[in-house]
Amino acid sequence: SQQGEEDPQALSIQEGENATMNCSYKTSINNLQWYRQNSGRGLVHLILIRSNEREKHSGRLRVTLDTSKKSSSLLITASRAADTASYFCATGGAGTALIFGKGTTLSVSS
Amino acid sequence: KAGVTQTPRYLIKTRGQQVTLSCSPISGHRSVSWYQQTPGQGLQFLFEYFSETQRNKGNFPGRFSGRQFSNSRSEMNVSTLELGDSALYLCASSLDPGIGNTIYFGEGSWLTVV
Repeated sequence: SQQGEEDPQALSIQEGENATMNCSYKTSINNLQWYRQNSGRGLVHLILIRSNEREKHSGRLRVTLDTSKKSSSLLITASRAADTASYFCATGGAGTALIFGKGTTLSVSS
Repeated sequence: KAGVTQTPRYLIKTRGQQVTLSCSPISGHRSVSWYQQTPGQGLQFLFEYFSETQRNKGNFPGRFSGRQFSNSRSEMNVSTLELGDSALYLCASSLDPGIGNTIYFGEGSWLTVV
């Protein structure tokens, strides 16, 4: 079953623009993680945000978490063509399992 | 520090055969998890091993099994392969995801069943 659901499913922007992806989840969480996946490759960990944190930054990435709304957002500023990928949020499921949404496919054109 | 290493990267098997995939976690990580990714079902949790013990299992048939060795390396096995088992199988390692540590993934093993 899907815990996290990303929105939008697909996003197309120009280089230099910002990209915002949203994630909603259903149950209480201890943390939420964002991953990037380039076509046919493995998952690259981007950011982990804990339930007691509201915002976290890493380079051009900014993640927010609103536990009252059970939602998170990932903002990529000044997008580059190399940011073209699928982005997934993942929350802790039963014990140690991650439950993923279906992802947002981001396309950045130059 | 080397990342999560999976072998083989690509393989083709015939229906009814079995397959074994291997995963070497990041040095010092005692937890290894396996996930299946397909276009239809997305990313789904298979199982997690911690210190050689299966600690958690997803909703997959018994044809899917795994094990972890004393050096934390892990293998997963799929027996009696079906066409629907064609997928990207991802291994992940962590110090201990049960306490909120970051989970790192390998590049995956692409399995095609014909």
